[in-house]
Amino acid sequence: DTEVTQTPKHLVMGMTNKKSLKCEQHMGHRAMYWYKQKAKKPPELMFVYSYEKLSINESVPSRFSPECPNSSLLNLHLHALQPEDSALYLCASSQIGGGNTEAFFGQGTRLTVV
Amino acid sequence: AQTVTQSQPEMSVQEAETVTLSCTYDTSESNYYLFWYKQPPSRQMILVIRQEAYKQQNATENRFSVNFQKAAKSFSLKISDSQLGDTAMYFCAFMKLDIYGQNFVFGPGTRLSVLP
Repeated sequence: DTEVTQTPKHLVMGMTNKKSLKCEQHMGHRAMYWYKQKAKKPPELMFVYSYEKLSINESVPSRFSPECPNSSLLNLHLHALQPEDSALYLCASSQIGGGNTEAFFGQGTRLTVV
Repeated sequence: AQTVTQSQPEMSVQEAETVTLSCTYDTSESNYYLFWYKQPPSRQMILVIRQEAYKQQNATENRFSVNFQKAAKSFSLKISDSQLGDTAMYFCAFMKLDIYGQNFVFGPGTRLSVLP
């Protein structure tokens, strides 16, 4: 199984809503990542979890709250988002160390904030 | 900080022809990795090919090959015998392994269209 599964695939939410994005992998990877990708732009790193601990936060606003409940699951909790937060949110996972360099990406959640 | 530049926002190629996508990068690191990822309309980022900076030999993966010029900090992708399924956005990426995992820096992308 070399899949990273993201749900939902599409999400429309109002600025006062609270929603969560979910990401799951069963490859035994101990690093998991959230990226934000605006239209026609490359992915930009938001958060990195290593061994279920937040290791990198790229100055992301607090209305985005990541959570890593276990080594297979990564969530992104959303609250009070702005229309400019509309984007494709990609999850990825990889091993740590050992020279293994491949990261596996999910298909993303396309988020629209209205 | 690392930067990755792709100077061709869009390219097109006829089916079965060969096309080369350009990528340059800037870094002061000596040990790093370079990747080409493709992102088709399905949105998933798919690894095309990778190159370890310490290896002089250019990586090859079936119809995909790279021309890695470390001194020039250039990393171009050649696609031979282009197929309709190669139509996608192609991102060049720099990656340095650290204790947290991987830290990718992506270029702005090149949109490739393969024409029938």
